Amino acid sequence: DAKTTQPPSMDCAEGRAANLPCNHSTISGNEYVYWYRQIHSQGPQYIIHGLKNNETNEMASLIITEDRKSSTLILPHATLRDTAVYYCIVRPSQGGSEKLVFGKGTKLTVNP
Amino acid sequence: DTAVSQTPKYLVTQMGNDKSIKCEQNLGHDTMYWYKQDSKKFLKIMFSYNNKELIINETVPNRFSPKSPDKAHLNLHINSLELGDSAVYFCASSQGDRGEGYTFGSGTRLTVV
Repeated sequence: DAKTTQPPSMDCAEGRAANLPCNHSTISGNEYVYWYRQIHSQGPQYIIHGLKNNETNEMASLIITEDRKSSTLILPHATLRDTAVYYCIVRPSQGGSEKLVFGKGTKLTVNP
Repeated sequence: DTAVSQTPKYLVTQMGNDKSIKCEQNLGHDTMYWYKQDSKKFLKIMFSYNNKELIINETVPNRFSPKSPDKAHLNLHINSLELGDSAVYFCASSQGDRGEGYTFGSGTRLTVV
């Protein structure tokens, strides 16, 4: 029951920007966009989240369209260690009983 | 200094056995979770506890029973293990009312033979 759509896989050259798209056309006004990634054999790792403004942290940038129906996660200079499955998730920020529902994600492969 | 730690990392056991997986977080978070990742790599939530109180209980067989002795610990006990229980189990924690991300443990790979 994931509310997002992501391409199943993408490739990126090392050192280039990786732009991962996500569609969430049914997002509600109180729902945030969260991004996580899972590197092989590790637990998922929180990357970034946002409501409507663009966000940036030390890991990535998040660009959310004005209508909030889609977003893009940007890894500005991808490295081999960024090879992972990236999950885009929408949920209310004040989680409480709202669970984090993972979809199939995008498998990003960073090539040398 | 691991934030969310699970033990054991690997667990191989025979069908019908009872086993437990332990999880501890040192982040001071109020909420803890158990997720299951099957062979197809789908991550599904199983349980969630907030301050030792069960708040999410997905459709999970009764053989699975979470226990939270305090808000820093959430253990998972599994009775009468079946082949289909083989998966990677992840523990996570969050401070739910702050809207921050979840912090996951490194997982426990359970293999039932």
